[in-house]
Amino acid sequence: SYELTQPLSVSVALGQTARITCGGNSIGSKNVHWYQQKPGQAPVLVISRDYNRPSGIPERFSGSNSGNTATLTISRAQAGDEAAYYCQVWVSSTVIFGGGTKLTVL
Amino acid sequence: QLQLQESGPRLVKPLETLSLACTVSGDSISSSNHYWGWIRQPPGQGLDWIASFYSSGKTDYNPSLKSRVTISADRSEDQFSLKMSSVTAADTAVYFCARGDTIFGIDSWGQGTLVTVSS
Repeated sequence: SYELTQPLSVSVALGQTARITCGGNSIGSKNVHWYQQKPGQAPVLVISRDYNRPSGIPERFSGSNSGNTATLTISRAQAGDEAAYYCQVWVSSTVIFGGGTKLTVL
Repeated sequence: QLQLQESGPRLVKPLETLSLACTVSGDSISSSNHYWGWIRQPPGQGLDWIASFYSSGKTDYNPSLKSRVTISADRSEDQFSLKMSSVTAADTAVYFCARGDTIFGIDSWGQGTLVTVSS
């Protein structure tokens, strides 16, 4: 079965750039989506289809996807960006999530 | 505005059947091009997809749960449901219902409901 690998945690200084990776076999050929989840809340879609931002998502959030790695980039990190982030793909009629990355803003 | 709301018992005994419903407003599960699904999250852990239902009637299941899970829909009420049999403590989780798209991702989520499996 297909697997997505994310780092357990990433730290970023306030105002700097955070990058969260999502690894998977030939993930560059798939549509990757990213979700932000804050404690006690439902996830929110922040990047769709590799790099598209849904309405209401700040331009500071961007995405890329190539080869075996997809990346979520958060520029000018704010305290409010501290959350868990999950990547997701749809493969062979199944929804697959990465294990999630906890972003800490220092 | 699309809204999804989970409902059902918050406490289920071991080996019994967990039953949840998701009521949709602001869209129709019959005419939508999306899929409607269930996702769970054990305490302190990540997201785990359970099952999806399409307006065509097609259903997909997580292979690891398929033998215990049924997803179904009441089109007249714009409601879809989850049944999970023979539950154990490992099935304790927040259960989310959601609307997704195979190309664009999951764009709407319910608030989630914590279901605890305990005697």
